Order: sequence, then structure tokens, then C-alpha cells
Amino acid sequence: DAKTTQPNSMESNEEEPVHLPCNHSTISGTDYIHWYRQLPSQGPEYVIHGLTSNVNNRMASLAIAEDRKSSTLILHRATLRDAAVYYCILRGSSNTGKLIFGQGTTLQVKP
Amino acid sequence: DTAVSQTPKYLVTQMGNDKSIKCEQNLGHDTMYWYKQDSKKFLKIMFSYNNKELIINETVPNRFSPKSPDKAHLNLHINSLELGDSAVYFCASSQDLWVSGGTDTQYFGPGTRLTVL
Repeated sequence: DAKTTQPNSMESNEEEPVHLPCNHSTISGTDYIHWYRQLPSQGPEYVIHGLTSNVNNRMASLAIAEDRKSSTLILHRATLRDAAVYYCILRGSSNTGKLIFGQGTTLQVKP
Repeated sequence: DTAVSQTPKYLVTQMGNDKSIKCEQNLGHDTMYWYKQDSKKFLKIMFSYNNKELIINETVPNRFSPKSPDKAHLNLHINSLELGDSAVYFCASSQDLWVSGGTDTQYFGPGTRLTVL
């Protein structure tokens, strides 16, 4: 399974945009890039996923580099509720559905 | 309505006991999973079931036995509990891992915090 690398922690101010980076230099052509987050004392929750093109949904945007070796999760206006651990995960079409979690990025949002 | 529910939320027990954690999903999904999050917050897959059939068993000790009575339920039974089993256990479900091709999203339950004394 291809590996992802994320910064251990990041800080943001409330109501400012946040860009969470993820490197995945060994990504294969059929790997999807998924992002999940885990709020304190809760189970992980799905945020967004993409393959090649940038993606937007109500929670966030996903910007994927042209060579697909990196991606960035963008929270357009961080709120205190966005403080969580964010996981960047690669999902292949041939895998058995399991999510392989790394250490993720702990995002702290300051009021 | 809670999409993925687990009971109990907290479980405190003595070493050597046998305990079960229950999971139910009302999303109509075909695939269910168990993950373990240890004290260092590292999340790891344990099992997955698709249509009541075991798909993944990630070298989990055989003291752990998942049981899927139907597609909506995946219970986890643990025999002879050890101190190292203390963790938070998360159940999850997804629509159908074989159809998705890497696109399916997983929905997680709130977790069961197991403490073995």
C-alpha cells in the first residue's frame, strides 16, 4: 500500500483558510486520495476524496497536484469545530476496503 | 437516527474475562469493519465482513472473534481479555467494497472504550 506523509500538527486562526498538505510520492495510477478527520472523542468521519481533478464539497476542497504526488485539503474558513486529526489515505481499486491510517495532522484552531 | 451505533460506549473489565461489543448500521450497507485505536491514537483495521462473509483478518489474535448475524450487525467477542486489549474499538460500514473500486466511504460508529484492569 502506498504511503502518505503529513505534518504532525498545524495551527490556524478561526475564520481563516487552512491548507493541510499530504505527500504521496508512490501513489499508483488507480489510487484515490481520501481524507478523513477525527474530532476529539469521536469516530473518524469522511471529508472528501478525489482521483485527479480538484474536488469541492460542503465540508472542504481537495486540490491534487498535476503529478498526483501530493494533495492539499483546504478548509475555507476554519471554525473551532474543525479542530481534529486529519488523515490523508490512499485507496486502491484492488484493496480490500480497509483504510490504512497514518499519524495524521492534528489541527488546532485558535479563537 | 444514528447511522452506525455501538454498545456499550464504555466497558471496564478484569483480565481474563470474556466480553462482547455490538455494532449495528441502518444504512443498508453490505460491508462492515472493526478498527482498534490504541493509547497512542494509532488506528488499525482488525476485520471486515462483506455480506456476512469475512474478508479481512489482520493478524488479530484468535481471542477476537467477529460475528455477523446479518448484514446490519457485526459484533466483536473477545475471550480471555488482556491488559493490551485496552483501546477504543470502532465499528464502521461502507456500501460495498467490491463495487466501489476505491471510492466508497466508510461511516464510523462513536467507539467503545475498553479498559482491562
